[in-house]
Amino acid sequence: AQKITQTQPGMFVQEKEAVTLDCTYDTSDQSYGLFWYKQPSSGEMIFLIYQGSYDEQNATEGRYSLNFQKARKSANLVISASQLGDSAMYFCAMRGTANAGKSTFGDGTTLTVKP
Amino acid sequence: EAQVTQNPRYLITVTGKKLTVTCSQNMNHEYMSWYRQDPGLGLRQIYYSMNVEVTDKGDVPEGYKVSRKEKRNFPLILESPSPNQTSLYFCASSFLSGSTDTQYFGPGTRLTVL
Repeated sequence: AQKITQTQPGMFVQEKEAVTLDCTYDTSDQSYGLFWYKQPSSGEMIFLIYQGSYDEQNATEGRYSLNFQKARKSANLVISASQLGDSAMYFCAMRGTANAGKSTFGDGTTLTVKP
Repeated sequence: EAQVTQNPRYLITVTGKKLTVTCSQNMNHEYMSWYRQDPGLGLRQIYYSMNVEVTDKGDVPEGYKVSRKEKRNFPLILESPSPNQTSLYFCASSFLSGSTDTQYFGPGTRLTVL
């Protein structure tokens, strides 16, 4: 079974500062992928970043980085230099290799960037 | 343009009136999936399909049916909708080469069942 936990229902950050959104996971799969998606108020789901369970380096995509700590089963998203357009809901998700059809999402974190 | 399309985008219906939400992708993806999103509950997987004629239940399949007769299409069928199926529905697709494949999402269908 897979489980994703996002413990921060809402977060605030000042514009231009960095923010970390927490994600912990649980799975019996040896190989899996972790994903972060952004959902702005318009409703679409936007892929941000991916981390493979066997990747030794933390993933980075522009201002997004993923702080992956496998032993602690955490995959936190770090957004550097926050912008007003970063205000949105953020979801952590995972897929396992044993059953790549099964996909599990967390409940999400609403991020508000203050000017 | 690579995309996942869903129709309709908005639907208001009444209890018990059968409806179908269509989903189509033009990326030749093997994998397709349906999710529902409710406030505070994130996205929950309803059904998924690994390829044509191969479907399986997700976490919340009760009250829903799916079919995958063609690779590009994956319709969601509500045979007798009830008010607790009022939700925002997303279709998604991806390649299926392993756990690395990110999903591409449709724009969502907002369904209200009265």
